[in-house]
Amino acid sequence: EAEVAQSPRYKITEKSQAVAFWCDPISGHATLYWYRQILGQGPELLVQFQDESVVDDSQLPKDRFSAERLKGVDSTLKIQPAELGDSAMYLCASRQDRSAYNSPLHFGNGTRLTVT
Amino acid sequence: QQQVKQSPQSLIVQKGGISIINCAYENTAFDYFPWYQQFPGKGPALLIAIRPDVSEKKEGRFTISFNKSAKQFSLHIMDSQPGDSATYFCAASISNSGYSTLTFGKGTMLLVSP
Repeated sequence: EAEVAQSPRYKITEKSQAVAFWCDPISGHATLYWYRQILGQGPELLVQFQDESVVDDSQLPKDRFSAERLKGVDSTLKIQPAELGDSAMYLCASRQDRSAYNSPLHFGNGTRLTVT
Repeated sequence: QQQVKQSPQSLIVQKGGISIINCAYENTAFDYFPWYQQFPGKGPALLIAIRPDVSEKKEGRFTISFNKSAKQFSLHIMDSQPGDSATYFCAASISNSGYSTLTFGKGTMLLVSP
């Protein structure tokens, strides 16, 4: 079964440093999401892409976070500078059909970020 | 503002018992209610989902019950097994200009004791 690929699996960085996460969605999935999951809580949407376009970044802290999906396939989420409160699991997800809301959302296994 | 409230936070059930997790929502525009299962170190995976025009959906040992008037829905796991030990998230989505966004509950950590 096709999977959403994410790397790295773990990242430890110091406060004020830059960090980047990469996601490769399932082939053919036009819609891509980045979620943040704080330990013990549910995933919270950061940004949503349709192909290469951002369709929802209302919850993305744009002063320090940026996301891109230049060719409408893989995506990168960047944090600069990282803060202690950014320690969390960063999950990427994709779905095949943007408008069929019951199209299953497929998650990757995430990147666990620890900011020291 | 938490749009999907989930309870309990944690649950211990004996093998063979019934696990029940409850969720409540406020936004009546939500039109799709999935449940996700997450094992440690893994991303969430879709378990079962329901739409508001249906009161119950069953898939194997997993059943969603939906009460539209009360704005509540619940997950029932029959004959719970140790392999069901995981964190379960309810979620809700709303279609907006053709793009759907999932809002998750805070999760329930289920432990099924042997």
